[in-house]
Amino acid sequence: DAGVIQSPRHEVTEMGQEVTLRCKPISGHDYLFWYRQTMMRGLELLIYFNNNVPIDDSGMPEDRFSAKMPNASFSTLKIQPSEPRDSAVYFCASSTAGGLGEQFFGPGTRLTVL
Amino acid sequence: GQSLEQPSEVTAVEGAIVQMNCTYQTSGFYGLSWYQQHDGGAPTFLSYNALDGLEETGRFSSFLSRSDSYGYLLLQELQMKDSASYFCAVSGTGGFKTIFGAGTRLFVKA
Repeated sequence: DAGVIQSPRHEVTEMGQEVTLRCKPISGHDYLFWYRQTMMRGLELLIYFNNNVPIDDSGMPEDRFSAKMPNASFSTLKIQPSEPRDSAVYFCASSTAGGLGEQFFGPGTRLTVL
Repeated sequence: GQSLEQPSEVTAVEGAIVQMNCTYQTSGFYGLSWYQQHDGGAPTFLSYNALDGLEETGRFSSFLSRSDSYGYLLLQELQMKDSASYFCAVSGTGGFKTIFGAGTRLFVKA
Protein backbone atom coordinates (compact mmCIF):
# COMPACT_ATOMS: atom_id res chain seq x y z
CA ASP A 1 0.00 0.00 0.00
CA ALA A 2 1.21 3.51 -0.76
CA GLY A 3 0.32 4.83 2.67
CA VAL A 4 -1.82 7.88 3.31
CA ILE A 5 -1.73 10.24 0.35
CA GLN A 6 -2.24 13.98 0.67
CA SER A 7 -2.40 16.68 -1.95
CA PRO A 8 -1.20 19.23 -2.57
CA ARG A 9 2.07 18.98 -0.63
CA HIS A 10 2.46 22.74 -0.64
CA GLU A 11 -0.14 25.44 -1.10
CA VAL A 12 0.42 29.18 -1.18
CA THR A 13 -2.66 31.33 -1.44
CA GLU A 14 -3.85 34.81 -0.69
CA MET A 15 -6.09 35.81 2.17
CA GLY A 16 -9.74 35.39 1.30
CA GLN A 17 -9.23 32.55 -1.16
CA GLU A 18 -10.76 29.11 -0.78
CA VAL A 19 -8.37 26.27 -0.02
CA THR A 20 -9.13 22.57 -0.42
CA LEU A 21 -6.84 19.92 1.00
CA ARG A 22 -7.26 16.30 -0.04
CA CYS A 23 -6.55 12.97 1.58
CA LYS A 24 -6.68 9.34 0.53
CA PRO A 25 -6.48 7.01 3.55
CA ILE A 26 -4.96 3.56 3.58
CA SER A 27 -7.36 1.03 2.10
CA GLY A 28 -9.28 -0.81 4.80
CA HIS A 29 -8.80 1.84 7.46
CA ASP A 30 -12.12 2.99 8.86
CA TYR A 31 -10.91 5.97 10.88
CA LEU A 32 -9.65 9.18 9.33
CA PHE A 33 -8.23 12.13 11.24
CA TRP A 34 -7.36 15.68 10.22
CA TYR A 35 -4.67 17.45 12.28
CA ARG A 36 -3.10 20.88 12.14
CA GLN A 37 0.44 21.55 13.33
CA THR A 38 1.93 24.94 14.18
CA MET A 39 4.84 25.99 16.34
CA MET A 40 2.54 27.84 18.70
CA ARG A 41 -0.24 25.28 19.12
CA GLY A 42 1.49 22.01 18.34
CA LEU A 43 -0.42 19.11 16.79
CA GLU A 44 -4.16 19.67 17.09
CA LEU A 45 -6.93 17.27 16.16
CA LEU A 46 -9.46 19.10 13.99
CA ILE A 47 -11.97 16.37 13.15
CA TYR A 48 -12.20 12.64 12.79
CA PHE A 49 -14.42 10.28 10.82
CA ASN A 50 -15.46 6.69 11.39
CA ASN A 51 -16.83 4.81 8.40
CA ASN A 52 -17.09 8.11 6.50
CA VAL A 53 -19.22 9.73 9.24
CA PRO A 54 -17.89 12.76 11.15
CA ILE A 55 -17.72 11.78 14.82
CA ASP A 56 -16.07 14.71 16.55
CA ASP A 57 -15.47 18.10 14.97
CA SER A 58 -14.93 19.99 18.21
CA GLY A 59 -11.40 20.87 17.13
CA MET A 60 -12.50 22.71 13.99
CA PRO A 61 -11.52 26.28 14.80
CA GLU A 62 -14.24 28.20 13.02
CA ASP A 63 -17.10 27.95 10.59
CA ARG A 64 -14.61 28.78 7.87
CA PHE A 65 -13.38 25.20 8.18
CA SER A 66 -15.33 22.25 6.85
CA ALA A 67 -14.48 18.61 6.18
CA LYS A 68 -16.17 15.90 4.18
CA MET A 69 -15.64 12.24 3.52
CA PRO A 70 -17.86 11.24 0.61
CA ASN A 71 -16.47 7.72 0.46
CA ALA A 72 -14.01 5.41 2.19
CA SER A 73 -11.10 6.45 0.00
CA PHE A 74 -11.34 10.23 -0.04
CA SER A 75 -11.66 13.17 2.32
CA THR A 76 -11.35 16.93 1.96
CA LEU A 77 -10.66 19.76 4.35
CA LYS A 78 -11.83 23.13 3.08
CA ILE A 79 -11.05 26.60 4.37
CA GLN A 80 -13.19 29.42 3.05
CA PRO A 81 -12.20 32.20 3.29
CA SER A 82 -8.60 31.57 4.27
CA GLU A 83 -6.70 33.86 6.65
CA PRO A 84 -2.97 34.23 7.39
CA ARG A 85 -3.43 32.57 10.81
CA ASP A 86 -4.51 29.40 8.99
CA SER A 87 -0.91 28.95 7.81
CA ALA A 88 0.22 25.57 9.16
CA VAL A 89 0.99 22.01 8.17
CA TYR A 90 -2.17 19.96 7.84
CA PHE A 91 -1.87 16.22 8.32
CA CYS A 92 -4.32 13.51 7.49
CA ALA A 93 -4.02 10.18 9.32
CA SER A 94 -5.88 6.90 9.15
CA SER A 95 -6.19 3.86 11.37
CA THR A 96 -8.17 0.72 12.07
CA ALA A 97 -8.49 1.34 15.80
CA GLY A 98 -9.32 5.00 16.23
CA GLY A 99 -7.07 6.48 18.86
CA LEU A 100 -6.35 3.07 20.36
CA GLY A 101 -2.99 2.42 18.81
CA GLU A 102 -1.21 3.28 15.62
CA GLN A 103 -2.30 6.09 13.38
CA PHE A 104 -0.65 6.32 9.98
CA PHE A 105 0.09 9.90 8.97
CA GLY A 106 0.28 11.29 5.48
CA PRO A 107 3.17 13.55 4.45
CA GLY A 108 1.15 16.68 5.19
CA THR A 109 0.18 19.80 3.28
CA ARG A 110 2.13 22.93 4.10
CA LEU A 111 -0.31 25.83 3.74
CA THR A 112 0.82 29.43 3.54
CA VAL A 113 -1.81 32.16 3.44
CA LEU A 114 -0.41 35.54 2.47
CA GLY B 1 -10.48 18.37 29.70
CA GLN B 2 -7.26 16.76 28.63
CA SER B 3 -3.69 18.01 28.93
CA LEU B 4 -0.22 16.56 28.62
CA GLU B 5 3.14 17.80 29.82
CA GLN B 6 6.49 16.97 28.28
CA PRO B 7 9.91 18.57 28.75
CA SER B 8 10.65 20.80 25.80
CA GLU B 9 14.20 19.64 25.10
CA VAL B 10 16.60 16.86 26.00
CA THR B 11 20.22 16.50 24.93
CA ALA B 12 22.14 13.22 25.09
CA VAL B 13 25.31 11.67 23.74
CA GLU B 14 25.47 9.09 20.98
CA GLY B 15 25.41 5.58 22.44
CA ALA B 16 23.78 6.69 25.67
CA ILE B 17 20.29 6.05 27.07
CA VAL B 18 17.67 8.80 27.32
CA GLN B 19 14.29 8.89 29.03
CA MET B 20 11.54 11.30 27.96
CA ASN B 21 8.66 11.77 30.37
CA CYS B 22 5.00 12.52 29.87
CA THR B 23 2.38 13.35 32.47
CA TYR B 24 -1.24 13.65 31.54
CA GLN B 25 -4.63 14.67 32.79
CA THR B 26 -7.65 13.29 31.05
CA SER B 27 -11.30 12.56 31.66
CA GLY B 28 -11.34 8.92 30.76
CA PHE B 29 -8.21 7.12 29.65
CA TYR B 30 -7.68 4.35 27.14
CA GLY B 31 -4.00 4.49 26.35
CA LEU B 32 -0.78 6.42 25.82
CA SER B 33 0.97 6.54 22.46
CA TRP B 34 4.38 7.79 21.37
CA TYR B 35 5.27 9.27 18.00
CA GLN B 36 8.54 10.41 16.46
CA GLN B 37 8.74 13.33 14.06
CA HIS B 38 11.83 14.44 12.17
CA ASP B 39 12.04 18.01 10.92
CA GLY B 40 9.90 18.43 7.83
CA GLY B 41 8.42 14.97 8.20
CA ALA B 42 5.23 13.41 9.45
CA PRO B 43 4.72 11.82 12.86
CA THR B 44 5.45 8.10 12.88
CA PHE B 45 4.13 5.70 15.47
CA LEU B 46 6.50 4.18 18.01
CA SER B 47 4.42 2.51 20.71
CA TYR B 48 1.10 2.26 22.52
CA ASN B 49 0.51 1.37 26.18
CA ALA B 50 -2.95 0.58 27.43
CA LEU B 51 -1.87 -1.25 30.58
CA ASP B 52 0.67 -0.53 33.29
CA GLY B 53 4.19 -1.69 32.63
CA LEU B 54 6.96 -1.65 30.11
CA GLU B 55 6.66 -2.38 26.40
CA GLU B 56 9.86 -3.00 24.46
CA THR B 57 10.44 -2.74 20.73
CA GLY B 58 14.08 -2.93 19.77
CA ARG B 59 15.94 0.09 21.11
CA PHE B 60 12.68 1.74 22.16
CA SER B 61 10.75 1.02 25.35
CA SER B 62 7.65 2.72 26.67
CA PHE B 63 6.32 2.67 30.20
CA LEU B 64 2.93 3.52 31.65
CA SER B 65 1.65 4.02 35.19
CA ARG B 66 -2.08 4.66 35.07
CA SER B 67 -2.28 5.37 38.80
CA ASP B 68 0.33 8.14 38.45
CA SER B 69 -0.96 9.41 35.07
CA TYR B 70 2.61 9.10 33.88
CA GLY B 71 4.56 7.48 31.14
CA TYR B 72 7.97 7.63 29.56
CA LEU B 73 9.79 6.68 26.39
CA LEU B 74 13.24 5.14 26.76
CA LEU B 75 15.71 5.14 23.91
CA GLN B 76 18.83 3.01 24.20
CA GLU B 77 22.06 3.03 22.18
CA LEU B 78 21.28 6.48 20.89
CA GLN B 79 22.12 7.23 17.29
CA MET B 80 22.42 10.56 15.51
CA LYS B 81 19.32 9.69 13.49
CA ASP B 82 17.29 9.65 16.73
CA SER B 83 17.50 13.45 16.82
CA ALA B 84 13.85 14.37 16.39
CA SER B 85 10.77 15.47 18.28
CA TYR B 86 8.93 12.90 20.35
CA PHE B 87 5.26 13.30 21.17
CA CYS B 88 3.15 11.51 23.70
CA ALA B 89 -0.57 11.29 22.98
CA VAL B 90 -3.52 10.16 25.04
CA SER B 91 -6.69 8.49 23.93
CA GLY B 92 -9.31 9.66 26.36
CA THR B 93 -12.99 10.23 26.38
CA GLY B 94 -14.65 8.22 23.67
CA GLY B 95 -11.47 6.27 23.07
CA PHE B 96 -10.92 7.47 19.56
CA LYS B 97 -10.01 11.10 20.05
CA THR B 98 -6.27 11.55 20.39
CA ILE B 99 -4.69 14.55 22.11
CA PHE B 100 -0.98 15.19 21.54
CA GLY B 101 1.52 16.75 23.91
CA ALA B 102 3.75 19.62 22.81
CA GLY B 103 6.63 17.23 22.26
CA THR B 104 10.20 16.82 23.47
CA ARG B 105 12.95 17.83 21.12
CA LEU B 106 15.84 15.33 21.40
CA PHE B 107 19.31 16.41 20.37
CA VAL B 108 21.88 13.63 20.03
CA LYS B 109 25.49 14.76 20.15
CA ALA B 110 28.54 12.90 18.87
